[in-house]
Amino acid sequence: AQSVTQPDIHITVSEGASLELRCNYSYGATPYLFWYVQSPGQGLQLLLKYFSGDTLVQGIKGFEAEFKRSQSSFNLRKPSVHWSDAAEYFCAVGSQSGGSYIPTFGRGTSLIVHP
Amino acid sequence: SQTIHQWPATLVQPVGSPLSLECTVEGTSNPNLYWYRQAAGRGLQLLFYSVGIGQISSEVPQNLSASRPQDRQFILSSKKLLLSDSGFYLCAWRGRFGSPLHFGNGTRLTVT
Repeated sequence: AQSVTQPDIHITVSEGASLELRCNYSYGATPYLFWYVQSPGQGLQLLLKYFSGDTLVQGIKGFEAEFKRSQSSFNLRKPSVHWSDAAEYFCAVGSQSGGSYIPTFGRGTSLIVHP
Repeated sequence: SQTIHQWPATLVQPVGSPLSLECTVEGTSNPNLYWYRQAAGRGLQLLFYSVGIGQISSEVPQNLSASRPQDRQFILSSKKLLLSDSGFYLCAWRGRFGSPLHFGNGTRLTVT
């Protein structure tokens, strides 16, 4: 069965500092990987996705993520964090199950940005 | 472009009362539809998903049910709410295989 681990429940960074949020997955084949962001009281917004090809993917809001098969990781990065980036971040992996597509989400990492 | 609508945004219901949350998608046909629940400080729990009209798969046994009466309409229901049903409910849709999920803005349900 597929699974997603986000080892950091909370991450605190200063505005302008770089950011890396960790995501590890467990899946037998090449997975579909996603990062989402959720502001308080809102739905999830897709930041970026990886299906195949270039292992470094660019997303919206200046985010990028790198797929590393050997480490089963898909970490999210941003070179300079803005106060508006404070939110909950979810990593997700998608797979096929008996003809249906069931995405699995990590438990999320809460990003706190200090001025 | 495709849009997803979810309502109501907030709901306060007494224990034992019924529930009906509605989700509709516009601008696409035959989407896969999903209901998730998010408890405070926790991740997303998949409740139901649907690959077509009248086709519902349940992931978690509970007092909730789902229905898909039309291609782009997904309804989450309960006959009698429990306190433990409180949470943030999210509807999502997906197009072709491998494409990401797109979420609605959610419904905050408080059962008192």
